[in-house]
Amino acid sequence: AQTVTQSQPEMSVQEAETVTLSCTYDTSESDYYLFWYKQPPSRQMILVIRQEAYKQQNATENRFSVNFQKAAKSFSLKISDSQLGDAAMYFCAYRSAVVSGTASKLTFGTGTRLQVTL
Amino acid sequence: EAQVTQNPRYLITVTGKKLTVTCSQNMNHEYMSWYRQDPGLGLRQIYYSMNVEVTDKGDVPEGYKVSRKEKRNFPLILESPSPNQTSLYFCASSLKEGTYEQYFGPGTRLTVT
Repeated sequence: AQTVTQSQPEMSVQEAETVTLSCTYDTSESDYYLFWYKQPPSRQMILVIRQEAYKQQNATENRFSVNFQKAAKSFSLKISDSQLGDAAMYFCAYRSAVVSGTASKLTFGTGTRLQVTL
Repeated sequence: EAQVTQNPRYLITVTGKKLTVTCSQNMNHEYMSWYRQDPGLGLRQIYYSMNVEVTDKGDVPEGYKVSRKEKRNFPLILESPSPNQTSLYFCASSLKEGTYEQYFGPGTRLTVT
C-alpha cells in the first residue's frame, strides 16, 4: 500500500517570502500522479498543482511549483511571493495511474498548516 | 457550473439515530468517493464507486453504507452513528480515466453526541 508523509505539521512564512513544504511517499508503482491540495478555513479542498510521474519536468502554476524527485520519492511544494491568502492547510496526495477501484483513491498525507505573517 | 454538492453542511445528531449525507455531481463522472478528515490523520477513504451499482469499501468502511443507484448521486448512510464518527466528510468525483483530478464537495461537519 502506498503511504504519504508530511513531516512538517506547521510552517510559517512572511508575506512576499518563499516557503517550501515537504512531502515524501512510498510506492512500488512506476506510474502515478501526485497532487497538492489547499484547504483554507472554508474547508473546501482546492487543487493547487498536479504532477504526472512520467514527466521529468516539474509542474508550475503561477507562484506555485514543485520539486519532484522520483528516485527519492519526494514531492515538495514551493510557494513564491507568499500572500496572506495562502494561509491554509496543505495536503500532499498520491493516486495510482492504474484504473481500478482501490487504486483510484487518493492517499493523503497528514497535512501542513501554513501561516503567513506580515 | 461543474460542481459536487453535499447536504447537509453541518449536522449534530445523537448516537444511534440513522442519518444520510447526500452527494451529487453534475459532471457525468463515473468515479465517486467518500472521505473522512480527522486531525492528524489527513483524509481517509470510506467507500468508493466506479459506476452505477458498483461500490466497494475503502480504508475505513466500518459503520458506513453507500449506494449508487444513479450516476450523479452517491449518498453516505450511517445506520447507527457513534461518537467516533464525529468528523468532517468529503464527497469527491472524477472521471475513471484521464487526468485523475478529483473534484471535492464543500464538506459536511458531523457531530455525534
